[in-house]
Amino acid sequence: KAGVTQTPRYLIKTRGQQVTLSCSPISGHRSVSWYQQTPGQGLQFLFEYFSETQRNKGNFPGRFSGRQFSNSRSEMNVSTLELGDSALYLCASSLGRLAGARRYQETQYFGPGTRLLVL
Amino acid sequence: KNEVEQSPQNLTAQEGEFITINCSYSVGISALHWLQQHPGGGIVSLFMLSSGKKKHGRLIATINIQEKHSSLHITASHPRDSAVYICAVALFGNEKLTFGTGTRLTIIP
Repeated sequence: KAGVTQTPRYLIKTRGQQVTLSCSPISGHRSVSWYQQTPGQGLQFLFEYFSETQRNKGNFPGRFSGRQFSNSRSEMNVSTLELGDSALYLCASSLGRLAGARRYQETQYFGPGTRLLVL
Repeated sequence: KNEVEQSPQNLTAQEGEFITINCSYSVGISALHWLQQHPGGGIVSLFMLSSGKKKHGRLIATINIQEKHSSLHITASHPRDSAVYICAVALFGNEKLTFGTGTRLTIIP
């Protein structure tokens, strides 16, 4: 089975621009989570999508947004880029099993990441 | 204070040594994850546990829910184990992961 893929792998943008990153989960996985990793803040949760709905959101400004498509592929968008947005952006997928209205905690499978540099 | 604390931050050991990395958290959790990140950025999930102990090859993870503490052990360490090991917890009622700052492990041949 193919792993999680992310495109592009590297990206250079300038302040004020916007960027869209893409994540294709493992086939059959319905949940996709996004994370930001910086040297100063470490790994931080951005948001999670399940069945095309955002189920959870981290403490990031509204410039960070995302969506999920019916095939479970997900995109995240950052508008009006700032220097501090330079980071490794990782997505992870999981099966997305439900226990009633709650989600099971599951092993997450990470993609290779997109390294974004904002100049 | 961070909700997830890891120790040590850096660890250098000789090949073959027994390695222990610790993770403490301050809130109730539904699960704890141990992750491995190699240079270049790729992250691999090693364990997810909510109680007891799990073993995979030379890696062992334990968790004590009452003490809010988990350990990751590596037996017969090898240079290929050199990586950053990250602990992450899923809080009760809010399944998003909160991460520790990581432990950079270097195994010298």
